[in-house]
Amino acid sequence: SQTIHQWPATLVQPVGSPLSLECTVEGTSNPNLYWYRQAAGRGLQLLFYSVGIGQISSEVPQNLSASRPQDRQFILSSKKLLLSDSGFYLCAWRRVGGAYGYTFGSGTRLTVV
Amino acid sequence: DQQVKQNSPSLSVQEGRISILNCDYTNSMFDYFLWYKKYPAEGPTFLISISSIKDKNEDGRFTVFLNKSAKHLSLHIVPSQPGDSAVYFCAVGEDGSARQLTFGSGTQLTVLP
Repeated sequence: SQTIHQWPATLVQPVGSPLSLECTVEGTSNPNLYWYRQAAGRGLQLLFYSVGIGQISSEVPQNLSASRPQDRQFILSSKKLLLSDSGFYLCAWRRVGGAYGYTFGSGTRLTVV
Repeated sequence: DQQVKQNSPSLSVQEGRISILNCDYTNSMFDYFLWYKKYPAEGPTFLISISSIKDKNEDGRFTVFLNKSAKHLSLHIVPSQPGDSAVYFCAVGEDGSARQLTFGSGTQLTVLP
């Protein structure tokens, strides 16, 4: 069966510090991968998606970047965090050609102080 | 420009009664429609979906209705249970797009015992 792992679960970082959130998927190959953010009181905003290794599409220009160094690994990064980067970050995957919906990870609560 | 709108940020319902959550979308090209349920500090989980060729899909206590002419989607939960208390997101997607899903802003459902 397929599983998705996302870590850490919570993170408190000072303004100006770097960020690295990691997501891995097991039990499938060549998935579509996604990073979403849920800001306080708001819906799910798509940040990045990837259809293959090294292929990253950005939905929202911002302080963040994403990378996919391996087929089932998706990393969200920042060189210098801003207060506005605080939120709940979710990784998701979808099997290409499979059912329509995503499967989400358990999320990372990022607080920038 | 919000393509998907959930105009009610919150809804309170008595246990045993029906919960009706609504969602409106703007793009008639969307092919499929989903509802996700999210508990605090967890990733969203898939609940139920419907494709554009149908107007109703039922799964146990959950029924999704699609009105294509009105570009309106609704989720009915009956009977509502306290464990249904969560944030509900509607999501829409278009075939052939790796970007896949656009989410609404969510509705917090509270089922009162």
